[in-house]
Amino acid sequence: EVQLVETGGGLIQPGGSLRLSCAASGFTVSSNYMSWVRQAPGKGLEWVSVIYSGGSTYYADSVKGRFTISRDNSKNTLYLQMNSLRAEDTAVYYCARTPRWNDAFDIWGQGTMVTVSS
Amino acid sequence: DIQMTQSPSAMSASVGDRVTITCRASQGISNYLAWFQQKPGKVPKRLIYAASSLQSGVPSRFSGSGSGTEFTLTISSLQPEDFATYYCLQHNSYPFTFGPGTKVDIK
Repeated sequence: EVQLVETGGGLIQPGGSLRLSCAASGFTVSSNYMSWVRQAPGKGLEWVSVIYSGGSTYYADSVKGRFTISRDNSKNTLYLQMNSLRAEDTAVYYCARTPRWNDAFDIWGQGTMVTVSS
Repeated sequence: DIQMTQSPSAMSASVGDRVTITCRASQGISNYLAWFQQKPGKVPKRLIYAASSLQSGVPSRFSGSGSGTEFTLTISSLQPEDFATYYCLQHNSYPFTFGPGTKVDIK
């Protein structure tokens, strides 16, 4: 079964760091474009970052310089390292797969909640 | 950055109604547009990709059209399970951007 499972969320103080993981099964992470999308409580969806199959990465301006997307091919897992966290980073974080450029975001994980608060 | 707008932002409709949601891009995005449905507390679910291709397993009452800057999602006959929030997403260029959402609730 094709599946994504996020872990790593929790309560963190402003300025702190957290690493989210997204474990894939049923397909190979490194053969796909993989994105992170977040949703603040009661708000809409916001794209955060992507990593290409070739390794190129892109970020939303709101997280550039603070967040880093990466993957571990041996573990078939996607990561999001989040540093210098702010209250406005509080959200459910989803990972999502894009197998081909015009077949975007076909599979999503269940999400993991990140709360940034003192 | 490409801005995405959706109209209406919210609507009330009855079971059996034909519903049309419009998504507009601030610049041309070819057909690099997807539509998602999200119910409260649930994961977004893709309905349409490449502007008009129906996701496998999604009922045929859902359809998408458009290219360039204007796109529509149509539900031909609204069913009880369709009450939800709908988002469009442009993935033509970075940063990818979602529309603000259209909430469809029961009249």
